[in-house]
Amino acid sequence: NAGVTQTPKFQVLKTGQSMTLQCAQDMNHNSMYWYRQDPGMGLRLIYYSASEGTTDKGEVPNGYNVSRLNKREFSLRLESAAPSQTSVYFCASSGRSSGISPYEQYFGPGTRLTVT
Amino acid sequence: KNQVEQSPQSLIILEGKNCTLQCNYTVSPFSNLRWYKQDTGRGPVSLTIMTFSENTKSNGRYTATLDADTKQSSLHITASQLSDSASYICVVSATDSWGKLQFGAGTQVVVTP
Repeated sequence: NAGVTQTPKFQVLKTGQSMTLQCAQDMNHNSMYWYRQDPGMGLRLIYYSASEGTTDKGEVPNGYNVSRLNKREFSLRLESAAPSQTSVYFCASSGRSSGISPYEQYFGPGTRLTVT
Repeated sequence: KNQVEQSPQSLIILEGKNCTLQCNYTVSPFSNLRWYKQDTGRGPVSLTIMTFSENTKSNGRYTATLDADTKQSSLHITASQLSDSASYICVVSATDSWGKLQFGAGTQVVVTP
């Protein structure tokens, strides 16, 4: 199993450009999450999807939109990128799987985004 | 104000030595506390998860403790190895915030030969 995969790994955007970060998981998890990680700060939740067909705002949703495409995929879109969105973005998933704690969140490798 | 505070911010230890990282939290009502290890350039990986009734849990050379009364946790690394060089993140979940986690800023540990 690949676990949680994210694309792209790196991206540089100019202010005002748009892009979509892709995330997929192969663990049959119900719940998926998008976080951002900035230097000196803990990870902050942008949006989450408790189950297929639902999405909710997290702590820092402004400037982002999400789509839960199906049970496996959860994408994050920046409609008009700003320098303040320069960050490392992590996707995570959680859910009941055989032998695994329901509380566990599994993280992808991250996307490093720079907005100039 | 961050509801999860970690100390120290960073530390350097010699290979083979032990170290202890601290986490204080104000998240309430408490559900569970977890420690993650994050290698440079990678996503966090879970080390331990503890609920209210658990006060210690081990994962190999990593031992976490929890005092829910004082809202403190520690992560002890025994006989450190070079591969232990990473950021260690304390994460707390509240019972009324389904799936939502409060992350500390992490303690950066560097193990030197």
